[in-house]
Amino acid sequence: GAVVSQHPSRVICKSGTSVKIECRSLDFQATTMFWYRQFPKKSLMLMATSNEGSKATYEQGVEKDKFLINHASLTLSTLTVTSAHPEDSSFYICSARDRELAASGRYTDTQYFGPGTRLTVL
Amino acid sequence: GENVEQHPSTLSVQEGDSAVIKCTYSDSASNYFPWYKQELGKRPQLIIDIRSNVGEKKDQRIAVTLNKTAKHFSLHITETQPEDSAVYFCAATPSGFQKLVFGTGTRLLVSP
Repeated sequence: GAVVSQHPSRVICKSGTSVKIECRSLDFQATTMFWYRQFPKKSLMLMATSNEGSKATYEQGVEKDKFLINHASLTLSTLTVTSAHPEDSSFYICSARDRELAASGRYTDTQYFGPGTRLTVL
Repeated sequence: GENVEQHPSTLSVQEGDSAVIKCTYSDSASNYFPWYKQELGKRPQLIIDIRSNVGEKKDQRIAVTLNKTAKHFSLHITETQPEDSAVYFCAATPSGFQKLVFGTGTRLLVSP
């Protein structure tokens, strides 16, 4: 399957600082990437859809000024948590959409996940 | 919008037994149904997926069935092994693939 990397894997920061998380598709181009947040023992909560060359689409209740997303190339999307506070501590996971043209002539999409970033805000 | 329900939330089986996890979805336009396995602290790993033009797909010990009329799909794991222990998530996506909607997860425990 396709490979998605994420950096850093863990980060600890002080309250009020900003943290940037990178998500890269290593062996395919991804026009669309997704950012999720996962609380302990819970499912993945979609935060936003990141589209290359355009503005991200945020899910209801997610503050766009708090969670800045940039998708400047076909292999890189970044999530910046601005003015982080302890309640922002969480496991953040990205995914990238791998779109392939099937023999039928239709596109098939598969989503591959990065390894996640554990953010701790003190 | 799409809503995905997943059952059971926890499942304990003995090694060698079969395990079945079921999901239902609400949006009849959904056409892609992946299953992910997530071990503690790790990324979700795609283990199998099915598209709406087929009713069943199998990959060694893992199979997925889809009933479009009833809007439900299931994951079947045969001859379970302790390394199958993990949290399994189902998901669905409407036509156009703008995003995945995940189920709440099933914690599978396979005892030796």
